[in-house]
Amino acid sequence: NAGVTQTPKFRILKIGQSMTLQCTQDMNHNYMYWYRQDPGMGLKLIYYSVGAGITDKGEVPNGYNVSRSTTEDFPLRLELAAPSQTSVYFCASSRPGNTEAFFGQGTRLTVV
Amino acid sequence: AQSVTQLGSHVSVSEGALVLLRCNYSSSVPPYLFWYVQYPNQGLQLLLKYTSAATLVKGINGFEAEFKKSETSFHLTKPSAHMSDAAEYFCAVSDADPGNKLTFGGGTRVLVKP
Repeated sequence: NAGVTQTPKFRILKIGQSMTLQCTQDMNHNYMYWYRQDPGMGLKLIYYSVGAGITDKGEVPNGYNVSRSTTEDFPLRLELAAPSQTSVYFCASSRPGNTEAFFGQGTRLTVV
Repeated sequence: AQSVTQLGSHVSVSEGALVLLRCNYSSSVPPYLFWYVQYPNQGLQLLLKYTSAATLVKGINGFEAEFKKSETSFHLTKPSAHMSDAAEYFCAVSDADPGNKLTFGGGTRVLVKP
């Protein structure tokens, strides 16, 4: 019963480097999300997707890109890492309607 | 735009005492409301959600929340705190479909003293 799986769990990047945060879910959920969590700020939505081939910006999309080629996978790409992107990143998924979101364990990213 | 305010970023309670976490929201439509809990170094998991079937909602681990439309509030309570309740708690409001996008409050970290 895997749910939402994120890799890696931890990563240190140098300024200007790029990386992809991986997210996969095995619940056949249509909706998937990327949030970032900063202390005292709650979680902010970066990007979301309502189905394969469909993505849209959230509240804080600058510096990130996503793709959704399959129902299961929703990778988040950082092209030119900046210190402001130091955060904990959570992927989540849900079904349509008033349903709960299921969260991964998070990726702690530090940009130095 | 929707917003959520959680009053108090840190709450300290004694074991066995009442836990009260405050949440106020703004929404132009009837909201979908949630409380999530985050244990250290883990993701978020659902405590409870408001479904409009009842204003008093019961969740897991003895928590409950009351929806008060007139006060735009959805406060979370537990009559008797346990050491295992030490965690961070997030109130969230969701858009209707499409998307179910969550807007979170800033979170309240609960410390339970023996």
